[in-house]
Amino acid sequence: DQQVKQNSPSLSVQEGRISILNCDYTNSMFDYFLWYKKYPAEGPTFLISISSIKDKNEDGRFTVFLNKSAKHLSLHIVPSQPGDSAVYFCAANAGNMLTFGGGTRLMVKP
Amino acid sequence: GAGVSQSPRYKVAKRGQDVALRCDPISGHVSLFWYQQALGQGPEFLTYFQNEAQLDKSGLPSDRFFAERPEGSVSTLKIQRTQQEDSAVYLCASSAGTSGRALYNEQFFGPGTRLTVL
Repeated sequence: DQQVKQNSPSLSVQEGRISILNCDYTNSMFDYFLWYKKYPAEGPTFLISISSIKDKNEDGRFTVFLNKSAKHLSLHIVPSQPGDSAVYFCAANAGNMLTFGGGTRLMVKP
Repeated sequence: GAGVSQSPRYKVAKRGQDVALRCDPISGHVSLFWYQQALGQGPEFLTYFQNEAQLDKSGLPSDRFFAERPEGSVSTLKIQRTQQEDSAVYLCASSAGTSGRALYNEQFFGPGTRLTVL
């Protein structure tokens, strides 16, 4: 039973446009959410996070939105750049454990 | 280097063979995690250390999996009598934080060890 789901395995976006990556969760005990970026042959890198008491967190080109009632979060990247092409994982925290989604591969075309 | 390192980067094992995967965390990092990432999936939690104490091993899939961090620095994940379903990338992560948000905001991953069991 997947508690964190990323339903789109891949996304293709034109350079300069907005990329929107989505994530759904089922466990209402999750109170902290994170996005990671992963390049091939490297480990995931922390990107941005949001606490369950907030509905938005912004850091430069990256914004994470949280809709607790829908148990849904999204990552917006604007403007998208070719260097953003990677696999993006959302993760949710309860206690000492992180639960990851399956990832979405983002391809930003020049 | 200053990051988390893992060795070997690639390991091919015959079914039934024992393997040992090593993680060198960032110097001074108290917390250390092991994750298993199957092909096309996200990382799955295996176990968590704070210094030399293994505080959570609830994610270890069977008693064939064993992890240790005897001196609170380097950690080894050992898999006995490997099976084909053990084929995955094994990720290690370390953090200077010990609780709350700092535990994950400051979490750095190594490049992983890709284990293939034939």
